[in-house]
Amino acid sequence: DTGVSQDPRHKITKRGQNVTFRCDPISEHNRLYWYRQTLGQGPEFLTYFQNEAQLEKSRLLSDRFSAERPKGSFSTLEIQRTEQGDSAMYLCASRLTGGEQYFGPGTRLTVT
Amino acid sequence: AQSVTQLGSHVSVSEGALVLLRCNYSSSVPPYLFWYVQYPNQGLQLLLKYTTGATLVKGINGFEAEFKKSETSFHLTKPSAHMSDAAEYFCAAYSGGGADGLTFGKGTHLIIQP
Repeated sequence: DTGVSQDPRHKITKRGQNVTFRCDPISEHNRLYWYRQTLGQGPEFLTYFQNEAQLEKSRLLSDRFSAERPKGSFSTLEIQRTEQGDSAMYLCASRLTGGEQYFGPGTRLTVT
Repeated sequence: AQSVTQLGSHVSVSEGALVLLRCNYSSSVPPYLFWYVQYPNQGLQLLLKYTTGATLVKGINGFEAEFKKSETSFHLTKPSAHMSDAAEYFCAAYSGGGADGLTFGKGTHLIIQP
């Protein structure tokens, strides 16, 4: 069990650019989650997958955001046409059905 | 919709003193409840969880929490604070029913005074 990993750990981008983050869950975990955490706030749920199916999306996930989990293993979160308000820590978590969520270290996005 | 309220964005205690971090939830259905800890520039680590059964839950690092349905509370305690406990603590709830994401409180920053 190597834990949940995320790449990159830090990303600085200019407003209007597209960015993509990757999450590798714990290998046998079938559920994968994305959260966003802004400074001084708790994480906010964005979306989750069961295997490769995206089953739930928060209203926070605007049409500029897209997430995939093509083979039910790793996941990517893409933000198109980034805005300064997208600056945040993006957290990934995974779990087995019925188990607790294990979180990765996060990707910190700064939009300048 | 589920909501989680943490009272006190900052709590300061002396080393060796009791730690009490407050969490209240709102739900017509008793939820599953969690406490997570976050150290700077790191992800969240699960301290403890309540699902069903015993209302006093023991977690890692000497922390425990008690689920009180009548008060809709799930406060986190530790009898004796240690310098290494300084971190951000988050209470979270999951109420199931097809809504699978966790709902987090805003967090409480725990400061340990030497």
